[in-house]
Amino acid sequence: GQQLNQSPQSMFIQEGEDVSMNCTSSSIFNTWLWYKQDPGEGPVLLIALYKAGELTSNGRLTAQFGITRKDSFLNISASIPSDVGIYFCAGLLYGGSQGNLIFGKGTKLSVKP
Amino acid sequence: DVKVTQSSRYLVKRTGEKVFLECVQDMDHENMFWYRQDPGLGLRLIYFSYDVKMKEKGDIPEGYSVSREKKERFSLILESASTNQTSMYLCASTSRQGLGYTFGSGTRLTVV
Repeated sequence: GQQLNQSPQSMFIQEGEDVSMNCTSSSIFNTWLWYKQDPGEGPVLLIALYKAGELTSNGRLTAQFGITRKDSFLNISASIPSDVGIYFCAGLLYGGSQGNLIFGKGTKLSVKP
Repeated sequence: DVKVTQSSRYLVKRTGEKVFLECVQDMDHENMFWYRQDPGLGLRLIYFSYDVKMKEKGDIPEGYSVSREKKERFSLILESASTNQTSMYLCASTSRQGLGYTFGSGTRLTVV
């Protein structure tokens, strides 16, 4: 199946630092989604992007839908310990009746207090 | 608050057992999905359903089947559980247009 290229795979940062991660694909998507997953839990939606070029913020999180529709990035400003977790990007192709998501493999974020 | 509920958080089953994983959503979503998640492999789609009694194979359907008798409920069935099916299983649902993509909390299945 298809996969998105998500990088970096993992990050170890100091509390207060900014974080940036991105996803690229050879396919064009209609929607980009960013999720966070805590250990033992399901992914929780952070930000949804629906238009090429769209820049959306959710608190300290900012995400952008690339102009080419083949990429997206997520930034976290002034990281705090509870930001720890795995962040997933997902591209959505819809049309017809499926609405199937294609996932990146995740970025594991560790934050040192 | 909209929800996707998976019936069990943790399950331990024996090799060869028939296993049912249940998922219920309260958002009147048309589409429902079953994924498994393994370290280093990410999320992989097992099956999805876009309507009652309809199902489509995902990327890794072997060893699994599904049932969608009601719109709100999507069941994943392991006909004869094997140790390589030990994994985290995640259910998700979305509207027909792909909006509101929501995951359940997951079921961690161990097959011994």
